[in-house]
Amino acid sequence: AQSVTQPDIHITVSEGASLELRCNYSYGATPYLFWYVQSPGQGLQLLLKYFSGDTLVQGIKGFEAEFKRSQSSFNLRKPSVHWSDAAEYFCAVFSGSARQLTFGSGTQLTVLP
Amino acid sequence: DGGITQSPKYLFRKEGQNVTLSCEQNLNHDAMYWYRQDPGQGLRLIYYSQIVNDFQKGDIAEGYSVSREKKESFPLTVTSAQKNPTAFYLCASSTKTSGANVLTFGAGSRLTVL
Repeated sequence: AQSVTQPDIHITVSEGASLELRCNYSYGATPYLFWYVQSPGQGLQLLLKYFSGDTLVQGIKGFEAEFKRSQSSFNLRKPSVHWSDAAEYFCAVFSGSARQLTFGSGTQLTVLP
Repeated sequence: DGGITQSPKYLFRKEGQNVTLSCEQNLNHDAMYWYRQDPGQGLRLIYYSQIVNDFQKGDIAEGYSVSREKKESFPLTVTSAQKNPTAFYLCASSTKTSGANVLTFGAGSRLTVL
């Protein structure tokens, strides 16, 4: 069965600093990978996705993620964080056979002024 | 604008009562999903439906029931058999593709059992 691990429960960065959120997945076949963001009390918004091709994918709000098959990772990055980026971030992997999306436990991002 | 509407946004229930959460989408999506979210546990799949009149159990289906009588609607009933129903519930929908389904989420419903 597929699984996703987000090792960092909570990350704090200063506004303007760079950001990297870690994601490791376990899946037998070529993974379909996603990053979603959730503001408090709201639903999830898709930031970006990887299906195939270029391993560096660009998303909305200036985010990017890099797929590394050898490390089973799909880390999310942003060069300069804004206060509005404070939210919870979820990595997810889609199972083609089960047609299900499996989520990690999330990383809460705090941005200091 | 197309989207997913969940109602009510907040719901309070007494122990032993069933409650139904509504999820309606006007995206013309084939598949619909219900997830439960608890702090520190991410999202866990309750039920999903790939097509009208058909649905499958997810990882934590016990104590929940669903129906899919219309393409646009996928209501979730939290029954009295659910031991710990207080949580944030998210509905999602997606188109079926040959690759991965890309899910669109509603704003969620927060259920509190008193």
